[in-house]
Amino acid sequence: DVKVTQSSRYLVKRTGEKVFLECVQDMDHENMFWYRQDPGLGLRLIYFSYDVKMKEKGDIPEGYSVSREKKERFSLILESASTNQTSMYLCASSESGGSDTQYFGPGTRLTVL
Amino acid sequence: DAKTTQPTSMDCAEGRAANLPCNHSTISGNEYVYWYRQIHSQGPQYIIHGLKNNETNEMASLIITEDRKSSTLILPHATLRDTAVYYCIVRAPESNTGKLIFGQGTTLQVKP
Repeated sequence: DVKVTQSSRYLVKRTGEKVFLECVQDMDHENMFWYRQDPGLGLRLIYFSYDVKMKEKGDIPEGYSVSREKKERFSLILESASTNQTSMYLCASSESGGSDTQYFGPGTRLTVL
Repeated sequence: DAKTTQPTSMDCAEGRAANLPCNHSTISGNEYVYWYRQIHSQGPQYIIHGLKNNETNEMASLIITEDRKSSTLILPHATLRDTAVYYCIVRAPESNTGKLIFGQGTTLQVKP
């Protein structure tokens, strides 16, 4: 079974702090994604990566950056956390080619005070 | 990616089959139908996908009409743990945007 893990289930940070969210997948997938999910807005793509050291902006990249130094790990960085970044953050991975099914981690619920 | 239409909510008795419909009348020839579900406060879980033929796995069956304009997800023996929001998504593999677009989905409530 595909396993996608995220470093924390719940996180509380203060405004202005630098926040790191880590995601690891164990299926050697090329593609990895970061979404945020908010009530009434559905899932919105922040960034995705289709290879090590490669990244592409999604729909809402402002205020975020990402890092993919190793194939299995994709990190989301909030450079200076703000209250409007309080959300559920979801990481997903998929293999290139084939059906392109995305597998999700359990999510990190981030609260910025 | 094609747009989908699902009922907002459905109820199902525990142990009975749950049949969740999805309309995707503008589906293109190379677009697959994917089903995901999201249990409260958890990440979405992949269930099944198909292109033209009916598909079955350990979780569910997917029935796609011959014209591919609609499909039905079947949970053969629903349990209380199947209570979740179910999303039907239509997209072509390797779409340039890479993202999945989740609509409002169907909230399935399995009742004892």
